[in-house]
Amino acid sequence: GIQVEQSPPDLILQEGANSTLRCNFSDSVNNLQWFHQNPWGQLINLFYIPSGTKQNGRLSATTVATERYSLLYISSSQTTDSGVYFCAVESRPNDYKLSFGAGTTVTVRA
Amino acid sequence: KAGVTQTPRYLIKTRGQQVTLSCSPISGHRSVSWYQQTPGQGLQFLFEYFSETQRNKGNFPGRFSGRQFSNSRSEMNVSTLELGDSALYLCASSLRVVRGQPNTEAFFGQGTRLTVV
Repeated sequence: GIQVEQSPPDLILQEGANSTLRCNFSDSVNNLQWFHQNPWGQLINLFYIPSGTKQNGRLSATTVATERYSLLYISSSQTTDSGVYFCAVESRPNDYKLSFGAGTTVTVRA
Repeated sequence: KAGVTQTPRYLIKTRGQQVTLSCSPISGHRSVSWYQQTPGQGLQFLFEYFSETQRNKGNFPGRFSGRQFSNSRSEMNVSTLELGDSALYLCASSLRVVRGQPNTEAFFGQGTRLTVV
């Protein structure tokens, strides 16, 4: 099956700093999503981005499907950005499931 | 618009018992999938249903089963519970098609945290 690798596994930031999270995947995809898992376990949708670039406030994401990677940018980080960020993909053709990376744990210190 | 609703939120069961978890998808979503999250294995796919048909199944023993009803609500069942089944179980729904175009974006519920003692 498709392999998803996220880096770095852990990231410690000072409030106000910028950061980049990376997601590499091993095959063509028809879905790529970034999630933030809140302390209660729910996966919060950040981006649905099988290709291209999107921005939402201080967050932005870019997926280069031909090179099989995606990047999540966090600018001017805040303590509320702390948590685990997951990249998940669904490979082509449709296999009706998301394969998740192991996640990046982000800690933002005041 | 209501999100994905999972019930119950928390469960404590004894080894050997069985458990049923419920998931109500976002209105209009016909695809429902289930995932298990554990500290050791991360997030793993269990199964996916669309219009009451299972289209894909993950690598889990037969003790894990599921079904989907005509209103798209889904249940998963775990029989003969083992300690290792303790996990957060997450349900996701997706539309699959939007205005004739594929849209596979998945939305997750808050999860059911199962503890087996």
